[in-house]
Amino acid sequence: EPEVTQTPSHQVTQMGQEVILRCVPISNHLYFYWYRQILGQKVEFLVSFYNNEISEKSEIFDDQFSVERPDGSNFTLKIRSTKLEDSAMYFCASRGVVGGSGGEQYFGPGTRLTVT
Amino acid sequence: GNSVTQMEGPVTLSEEAFLTINCTYTATGYPSLFWYVQYPGEGLQLLLKATKADDKGSNKGFEATYRKETTSFHLEKGSVQVSDSAVYFCALSGSGGYQKVTFGTGTKLQVIP
Repeated sequence: EPEVTQTPSHQVTQMGQEVILRCVPISNHLYFYWYRQILGQKVEFLVSFYNNEISEKSEIFDDQFSVERPDGSNFTLKIRSTKLEDSAMYFCASRGVVGGSGGEQYFGPGTRLTVT
Repeated sequence: GNSVTQMEGPVTLSEEAFLTINCTYTATGYPSLFWYVQYPGEGLQLLLKATKADDKGSNKGFEATYRKETTSFHLEKGSVQVSDSAVYFCALSGSGGYQKVTFGTGTKLQVIP
């Protein structure tokens, strides 16, 4: 069964450093998402991406964040200057259907980011 | 905006007990409703879904019915197992746009032998 993959599984970085989290969505999917889950809290939407541009973003997704689909397979989330409060599990997700409802999102296993 | 409210945890049950985790939602239009499960140390897995009123989603013995009149999507299982211990998230996605998923806070279930 196709699945979303994410690398690395765990990233430790120092405050102020740049990090890039990588995701490989399911190959024929069209919509791509990033979510985060601070330890013990609920999963929060960050950004959605369709047709090579951001389609929606939350207030969390400020100028420190960016997303890119550099080739036909990868989808990345970059945090330019990490802060302690960026420590969280980051989930990538993808969805296949165009429009309509019911097309569920498939989530990757997550990258645990620890900022020290 | 859309929101999901689910019962606080943790919930502790004995093996073979009946499980109910309550979930209610607020949304415009006709959202799709989901239950996701997160096992310890793992990512999010879709457990079941329902896309319209009165639909029943089911998987692995779990069931949930989309009740538009009460805006609810309660998760049930007749006989839980130790292996069901996990965090369960109720979620919805809107009927239009790019359909981001809005999650509830999660309910931790612990099943003891």
